[in-house]
Amino acid sequence: ETGVTQSPTHLIKTRGQQVTLRCSSQSGHNTVSWYQQALGQGPQFIFQYYREEENGRGNFPPRFSGLQFPNYSSELNVNALELDDSALYLCASSRGQGASGGGETQYFGPGTRLLVL
Amino acid sequence: KQEVTQIPAALSVPEGENLVLNCSFTDSAIYNLQWFRQDPGKGLTSLLLIQSSQREQTSGRLNASLDKSSGRSTLYIAASQPGDSATYLCAVTPYSSASKIIFGSGTRLSIRP
Repeated sequence: ETGVTQSPTHLIKTRGQQVTLRCSSQSGHNTVSWYQQALGQGPQFIFQYYREEENGRGNFPPRFSGLQFPNYSSELNVNALELDDSALYLCASSRGQGASGGGETQYFGPGTRLLVL
Repeated sequence: KQEVTQIPAALSVPEGENLVLNCSFTDSAIYNLQWFRQDPGKGLTSLLLIQSSQREQTSGRLNASLDKSSGRSTLYIAASQPGDSATYLCAVTPYSSASKIIFGSGTRLSIRP
């Protein structure tokens, strides 16, 4: 069974640029969630996708957007990058829809570390 | 609004000691509580998941308890080893928004040989 993978592992961008991060979910999982983790903090929920539809969103501006594909892989896009966007971005996959799958374990990928200069 | 707090932020103990990490949350309406481990610069590894109807879960040297009424959870680590050094994160899945996990800021644990 393949675990959750993310690409790239590291990324450096400048303020104002756009970035796309990618996540492949674990086999058999149809739900993907994205989190932002600033240095020394716990992860903050960005949004979740279930069967290609957004299924919940945290307190992040619209310049954070996402996609989920038919194979349940996912992308996180961030436009107009700001210095505060520098963080570790984590993707997690699970079985079942978030609303009914509250008891499901989310499996996390290794993350993408983004540095905005 | 659900908030998760972990105290202390950092802890250093000698090898072999038993230790307890604490987590508190403000709203008892949760599906479950999880404890994660995070090594520096790495992703999260789920250690234990306690459903809201359960009181505790055990895995090897780890034991996690849940007291929903008081909004508390503890992670007990027996016979600590240097390999246990990592940041331990507590997280809850709230009824109000089951699609997301709300994390504490973590306890950074260092086990001295």
